[in-house]
Amino acid sequence: QSALTQEASVSGTVGQKVTLSCTGNSNNIGSYAVGWYQQISHGAPKTVMFGNSLPSGIPDRFSGSKSGTTASLTISGLQPEDEADYYCSTWDYSLSAWVFGGGTKLTVL
Amino acid sequence: QVQLVESGGGVVQPGGSLRLSCAASGFTFSSYGMHWVRQAPGKGLEWVAFIRYDGSNKYYADSVKGRFTISRDNSKNTLYLQMNSLRAEDTAVYYCAKGPAPGWDYYFDYWGQGTLVTVSS
Repeated sequence: QSALTQEASVSGTVGQKVTLSCTGNSNNIGSYAVGWYQQISHGAPKTVMFGNSLPSGIPDRFSGSKSGTTASLTISGLQPEDEADYYCSTWDYSLSAWVFGGGTKLTVL
Repeated sequence: QVQLVESGGGVVQPGGSLRLSCAASGFTFSSYGMHWVRQAPGKGLEWVAFIRYDGSNKYYADSVKGRFTISRDNSKNTLYLQMNSLRAEDTAVYYCAKGPAPGWDYYFDYWGQGTLVTVSS
């Protein structure tokens, strides 16, 4: 059982806006920003968002936000190459550990 | 550009040991905290261990505490993970990941390609 909860799967069509969510508690998301990681076909993860900041080279159709103990990753203008597994993660001070969500499989129809 | 290249994976019997390495380049290795993260077959990502830029502070997941040791050699730009008393549930791809700061921070900014560890008799 993961410390952070994500949808198992989300789908959308090309050009659509989709939002992936990541829910934790006051010990993790409620206290710290969240990183988001894209993994295509079980390859190496790639950082696509930290907090609400975009790493260099990541398209600006990706955006991040947080409200209370839930963080969100929004992809506006979905592209076929966005099809991947997405994981959220942050620090949990009660566990003294970095924690991950179980991952969301994003399918582009 | 930042490159992280893991090595040392392979097949090992339960109870055995293995040492993973991560060769870093493209940044000042001695200035950043580093992590190991693993992924069991068909499963999600699991954080394993963290070491500060100077090796002065380390954190471990409960699942590996007392069995795994993270270390670094800043003169060789290399991160290590010594894995002892290996169990079947340690079977995974192990990724080296860079932190964005010398010490603690909440996310990982670069990842290696991973090395596969299989624990099986």
